Amino acid sequence: GAVVSQHPSRVICKSGTSVKIECRSLDFQATTMFWYRQFPKQSLMLMATSNEGSKATYEQGVEKDKFLINHASLTLSTLTVTSAHPEDSSFYICSVPNPRQSNTEAFFGQGTRLTVV
Amino acid sequence: AQSVTQLDSQVPVFEEAPVELRCNYSSSVSVYLFWYVQYPNQGLQLLLKYLSGSTLVKGINGFEAEFNKSQTSFHLRKPSVHISDTAEYFCAVFSGGYNKLIFGAGTRLAVHP
Repeated sequence: GAVVSQHPSRVICKSGTSVKIECRSLDFQATTMFWYRQFPKQSLMLMATSNEGSKATYEQGVEKDKFLINHASLTLSTLTVTSAHPEDSSFYICSVPNPRQSNTEAFFGQGTRLTVV
Repeated sequence: AQSVTQLDSQVPVFEEAPVELRCNYSSSVSVYLFWYVQYPNQGLQLLLKYLSGSTLVKGINGFEAEFNKSQTSFHLRKPSVHISDTAEYFCAVFSGGYNKLIFGAGTRLAVHP
């Protein structure tokens, strides 16, 4: 069964509204989770590292006020796209490092297709 | 800095033919290497990984890859592909020094009947 659950799988929102995406680790506790963004026909770009109990670490060029990350528990991280615009439309994927492999590999959520109209 | 280069953006191939998807990496520290597959509108599924030991790694769905340190490559191969192998394939490197996965641009494998 799935190790990482990401919800929703698909969301359409109006420009200017905010959207929250959840990533849950079902099989083990995760002090760290990763958020990726994927544009059509492109690779995954790491946006940020979500850290339980502390601030997220954002990659260069990613607006932290635009993409709010909250890692409230050891099994849940959320990504909120604030004041969404059409250019934020993308496929967002979370991943959770596998502690049984010394965190050298990761499990991925099924992704969230965000469309801003 | 780490980077991953997938040399082919698209690879068309006929069913039951062999295929090789190329991947080269650069890193100044020891690395772990991965191949993931992504079907449309889905997340990523791990095909195989190299952490240490034998340089020939076997994965799921009949795929295998060979780690070549001197050529800094980790090419993915399958001796006979199926229509169901049509998907996007990503090579990735994980470095303990940076604690994150870096992905290549992806290779679209299109298997034709």
